[in-house]
Amino acid sequence: EVQLVESGGGLVQPGGSLRLSCAASGFAFSIYGMTWVRQAPGKGLEWVSVISGSGGSTDYADSVKGRFTISRDNSKNTLYLQMSSLRAEDTAIYYCAKLGGAVAGSWGQGILVTVSS
Amino acid sequence: DIQMTQSPSSLSASVGVRVTITCRASQSISNYLNWYQQKPGKAPRLLIYAASSLQSGVPLRFSGSGSGTEFTLTISSLQPEDFATYYCQQSYTSPYTFGQGTKLEIK
Repeated sequence: EVQLVESGGGLVQPGGSLRLSCAASGFAFSIYGMTWVRQAPGKGLEWVSVISGSGGSTDYADSVKGRFTISRDNSKNTLYLQMSSLRAEDTAIYYCAKLGGAVAGSWGQGILVTVSS
Repeated sequence: DIQMTQSPSSLSASVGVRVTITCRASQSISNYLNWYQQKPGKAPRLLIYAASSLQSGVPLRFSGSGSGTEFTLTISSLQPEDFATYYCQQSYTSPYTFGQGTKLEIK
């Protein structure tokens, strides 16, 4: 069974940094692309970033480009999202998801990031 | 970026009725269209991928159709557990944009 468990969220001040982790199990992690999707309180889903199975290819939404970095450690079956220069509008639940092609077939439970002074 | 527009934004319907939600893309995306269901406080769940392929474990009352720029999600006979918010997403090209969502409520 695919399991994805996010961690590392919390309250951070504007301009601060935070690193999210997503621990994966139940599948051959290194074979699959992974993605981060976020959802601001009461709002819809926003695609954030994607990384290939090898980690050699990444992409970002314009709203986070230059501030967020997606990475993975295939030896630890873990996906990361390093977030810096955080803004109030980055406040959201962040979900990691396993990709089949570019389709998010399995999702974690989500982790809340709150950017506030 | 490709814009995805869903209609309606909200819908009130009764158990047992047939419901259709539409998703339009700002440019052709072939059949690279996915549908997700999200219930309050829960992660999204993949229902349909590649416009019309049913994800494993999803009830047969859900179906998808369309290609190019216009797509539909149909629920043939609404069940109480289907009341949720539905999102379309294009997986044709990055950024993999979502529609704004359609909230399906009990009438």
